[in-house]
Amino acid sequence: GAGVSQSPSNKVTEKGKDVELRCDPISGHTALYWYRQSLGQGLEFLIYFQGNSAPDKSGLPSDRFSAERTGGSVSTLTIQRTQQEDSAVYLCASSLGTGHTEAFFGQGTRLTVV
Amino acid sequence: DQQVKQNSPSLSVQEGRISILNCDYTNSMFDYFLWYKKYPAEGPTFLISISSIKDKNEDGRFTVFLNKSAKHLSLHIVPSQPGDSAVYFCAAREYGGSLGNLIFGKGTKLSVKP
Repeated sequence: GAGVSQSPSNKVTEKGKDVELRCDPISGHTALYWYRQSLGQGLEFLIYFQGNSAPDKSGLPSDRFSAERTGGSVSTLTIQRTQQEDSAVYLCASSLGTGHTEAFFGQGTRLTVV
Repeated sequence: DQQVKQNSPSLSVQEGRISILNCDYTNSMFDYFLWYKKYPAEGPTFLISISSIKDKNEDGRFTVFLNKSAKHLSLHIVPSQPGDSAVYFCAAREYGGSLGNLIFGKGTKLSVKP
C-alpha cells in the first residue's frame, strides 16, 4: 500500500489476555519502529528493526512485550498478560533506513485494557 | 533521562502571527532532527527536518533553526493558520553508533486562534 498500515485500529481486551498488533510498513522501507503514546504523554520508543540487524529492544517496558518482523516486512507487536497501564495508542513507523530520512507513521492501534 | 525535551506543553497564537516551538536536546551525537505534526486520532506526519551540518531549513511557512552549541532547535510557522493547530513533536536521531532510532520529545500542543 501507499502508507504504513496498522491493524486493528482499535482493540479492547481484558486484563491478563494477550494481544497482537500488526504493522505493514511501506514497501521497500528497511527500518521499522514501534512507539506508544499513553494518555497525555509523548511518543515512547519501544523497539526498532533495521534490515537483518538485531533489533534495538531497549525501549520495551517489560518482558511481557515482544516484537517480530518476518521477512523484513510485516511486524507484530505482542503484549502478554496485558495490564491496564498498557492502555495506549501503539504507533508503527517505517523509513528507508538509518540515513537522513524521515519515518512515516501509521494511524496507530488504540489499545484499551479493561 | 529525557534526551529530547519540549518544555512547553502548549502554545496559543493568533492567526497570522508567528508560532515558535522550541526543543532542547542533551545528546551531542544527534545529527538529524525532525518535526512531526499530529492531529487527534491520527498518526504523526512528517513536517520538516534538518541535518546537523546546517543551521536553518525552510519549507514554505515552516522554518527550522538549529543551534548546535546550545543544543537547541526551534520550529517557526509564519503566518500561523487555524489548520496548524495540532501537537508538534520534535525528534532526533543519533548517527552511526546506535541503530538510529528516533527519540521524540513529549510534544507541544499548538492552538491557533482565528
